[in-house]
Amino acid sequence: EDKVVQSPLSLVVHEGDTVTLNCSYEVTNFRSLLWYKQEKKAPTFLFMLTSSGIEKKSGRLSSILDKKELFSILNITATQTGDSAVYLCAVPNSGGSNYKLTFGKGTLLTVNP
Amino acid sequence: KAGVTQTPRYLIKTRGQQVTLSCSPISGHRSVSWYQQTPGQGLQFLFEYFSETQRNKGNFPGRFSGRQFSNSRSEMNVSTLELGDSALYLCASSLAVGNTGELFFGEGSRLTVL
Repeated sequence: EDKVVQSPLSLVVHEGDTVTLNCSYEVTNFRSLLWYKQEKKAPTFLFMLTSSGIEKKSGRLSSILDKKELFSILNITATQTGDSAVYLCAVPNSGGSNYKLTFGKGTLLTVNP
Repeated sequence: KAGVTQTPRYLIKTRGQQVTLSCSPISGHRSVSWYQQTPGQGLQFLFEYFSETQRNKGNFPGRFSGRQFSNSRSEMNVSTLELGDSALYLCASSLAVGNTGELFFGEGSRLTVL
């Protein structure tokens, strides 16, 4: 059974801080790892990672994958209050479907002014 | 381009009743999947439909069912509601090509069972 574990479960920081969110996974047939951001509404797609060591970057957010150690990190630099959200990590089903995702429990990030 | 639309956004039911939730995917998206989100279990996969056929099913009892219509719109039904069915039900659509795994989520239907 595919498994995704995120840490920490929650995190409180001040504006301007840098945060690192962790995601470890166990899948029989790895194809990709995805990061989503969920505020009080629909999860929105951030990154998809398929190759080890290649950083994906979007503004202040970046993410990298380590397929040897089976984990990924999501970095947010110079945090802002608008970054407050639940960050979800997910992997597609080992059985072949890219639409059946196994999600971690998420990391609740709170950025205080 | 309109996003994924789910209705109703909020609903309250009592134990034993049934409920039907609706999802209209992004225009052109043919894959629709459903997830249940609860504080304890997080996001859990319910089922996925493509071209009116259920392609994948999660580990939920038979009280949970769904269908997809020829216009790609989807409905899910939960019968004989239990207190534990209280959750946010999220629908997601995808182009279903390229196998990127990127899903576009709706804002969900929040079900409360009393």
